[in-house]
Amino acid sequence: EDQVTQSPEALRLQEGESSSLNCSYTVSGLRGLFWYRQDPGKGPEFLFTLYSAGEEKEKERLKATLTKKESFLHITAPKPEDSATYLCAVQASGGSYIPTFGRGTSLIVHP
Amino acid sequence: DAGVIQSPRHEVTEMGQEVTLRCKPISGHNSLFWYRQTMMRGLELLIYFNNNVPIDDSGMPEDRFSAKMPNASFSTLKIQPSEPRDSAVYFCASSSKADTEAFFGQGTRLTVV
Repeated sequence: EDQVTQSPEALRLQEGESSSLNCSYTVSGLRGLFWYRQDPGKGPEFLFTLYSAGEEKEKERLKATLTKKESFLHITAPKPEDSATYLCAVQASGGSYIPTFGRGTSLIVHP
Repeated sequence: DAGVIQSPRHEVTEMGQEVTLRCKPISGHNSLFWYRQTMMRGLELLIYFNNNVPIDDSGMPEDRFSAKMPNASFSTLKIQPSEPRDSAVYFCASSSKADTEAFFGQGTRLTVV
């Protein structure tokens, strides 16, 4: 069974204090790993897709990286508007492509 | 495109009543997903449609839940009869292909009292 574990569950940062969120996964074969951002009262918003170990993607202050067992979402010099829950999902190769979501990391950035 | 549109945004109903949630996917997307999100269990997939056909409904909790997709631009999730434990936020999402990123609607917050 595919498993996705995100850590920490919650993270509080000061504005400008860089940090990383972790997504560890167990899957028979990885087709893709997705990162989403979810604001309170809204649906998850797509950020990145990673497909193979060593791949990196960036968007503004966010950079996602992928290894064979985990993915990191690095946040550089965060701002209060980066406060949200960040969700990771993995999609196994073969089968129906249904992604398995982690529980998310709730990030709060204080001004 | 306006994105995935769900209605209603909020629904409060009494236990035993029928509830119908509605979803309009992004035009041109051929995959549609219904998810349920709670604090206890996070985001759970209920059912997945591809080209209007249900492919995987193993996440549907029990026979009280049913979903339909009569055409490419509309889907419903029905709960009959509803129970307090069904209280959650229900999301609909669509993607252009089964293995690409999904785009989520704003969700329907369901409260069963």
